[in-house]
Amino acid sequence: DAEITQSPRHKITETGRQVTLACHQTWNHNNMFWYRQDLGHGLRLIHYSYGVQDTNKGEVSDGYSVSRSNTEDLPLTLESAASSQTSVYFCASSDGGLVETEAFFGQGTRLTVV
Amino acid sequence: AQSVTQLGSHVSVSEGALVLLRCNYSSSVPPYLFWYVQYPNQGLQLLLKYTSAATLVKGINGFEAEFKKSETSFHLTKPSAHMSDAAEYFCAVSKNTDKLIFGTGTRLQVFP
Repeated sequence: DAEITQSPRHKITETGRQVTLACHQTWNHNNMFWYRQDLGHGLRLIHYSYGVQDTNKGEVSDGYSVSRSNTEDLPLTLESAASSQTSVYFCASSDGGLVETEAFFGQGTRLTVV
Repeated sequence: AQSVTQLGSHVSVSEGALVLLRCNYSSSVPPYLFWYVQYPNQGLQLLLKYTSAATLVKGINGFEAEFKKSETSFHLTKPSAHMSDAAEYFCAVSKNTDKLIFGTGTRLQVFP
């Protein structure tokens, strides 16, 4: 069965370190998204991609970057981790527009920056 | 800018009671509206979505939602709560059929 997987599920890192969170989907979806989930804020969009070599900034993109070298993967990099980036991160993918199709979410990565 | 507001960060009901989770949207154009559910330690799963085809939308697990343009609302209901409904519920809006803008979520507790 097709799926979307995130790794690692949990990570603790130190302030200032570079961290990369992996997202891999086997749906062959063009669209991929990264969200962070924080209490009182719901899910906020960090970056998104509509296809290979395409990346776009979301509402909370500062301190994060993504790259899309193939259809299946959209890794999220924290260039220099900060305590404010302690959060639960969700990756999602969809095949085209959300009206016609459904966005599928990974199980999340809980990141703690100490 | 489009957004959604979920009234009540926590809702508690007894098993068998009506579930009502509130969502209001602000959008300058008719939006596409969604309800997602998140069970503990899991990702989000689509419950239902409104795409202007019908104002009353039925979803999975017995949930439904009604789009009311005059009230700019898209409240989620279920006639009879079950223990397995305990989860966090997110309302979301999309104007351009791509990105989702989420509300802050409502945690539903169901008591026996």
